[in-house]
Amino acid sequence: AQRVTQPEKLLSVFKGAPVELKCNYSYSGSPELFWYVQYSRQRLQLLLRHISRESIKGFTADLNKGETSFHLKKPFAQEEDSAMYYCALRGGSSGSARQLTFGSGTQLTVLP
Amino acid sequence: DAGVIQSPRHEVTEMGQEVTLRCKPISGHDYLFWYRQTMMRGLELLIYFNNNVPIDDSGMPEDRFSAKMPNASFSTLKIQPSEPRDSAVYFCASRETGNTEAFFGQGTRLTVV
Repeated sequence: AQRVTQPEKLLSVFKGAPVELKCNYSYSGSPELFWYVQYSRQRLQLLLRHISRESIKGFTADLNKGETSFHLKKPFAQEEDSAMYYCALRGGSSGSARQLTFGSGTQLTVLP
Repeated sequence: DAGVIQSPRHEVTEMGQEVTLRCKPISGHDYLFWYRQTMMRGLELLIYFNNNVPIDDSGMPEDRFSAKMPNASFSTLKIQPSEPRDSAVYFCASRETGNTEAFFGQGTRLTVV
């Protein structure tokens, strides 16, 4: 079974401070990992995926297979980063495992 | 394309009433997903369709929940009878084969009183 754990429901940081949103997963094969973001009153949207190895809006996330983690990081948080962030996993086998399994989400608040 | 369109945006209903949520996926997307979002559990996959056929409904909480996709451009999620614990935001998402990104609608906020 595949599982995604986001241990922090709420996270507050001050503007300009570094931020790290934790994500751990459980999956026996080679997963695809994603971060989705939901800004206030907007739809959920893809932020980044580990395959792309990209930096979006200053955020990066590295897949650590040894620690089964995919933490989201940004060196200097901005107020506009305040949102709900979901870590998601897509397994490699067939059927429903190929679909996204989401963590419970972390509400990030960046304080002025 | 306007993206995934869900209606209504908000629904308030009394316990015991039937509720129908609607979704129009992005044209050309052959996968459609229904998710439920709550504070306690985050995003839970309820059911998904591929080419209008339900593939996995193991996430549907009870028999009170049912979903249909009569054609490639329309899906419904029905709750009958509704209960206060069904209160949540229900999201519809779609994607196309070969693309790992799922596109979400703006959700329907359901309140059952």
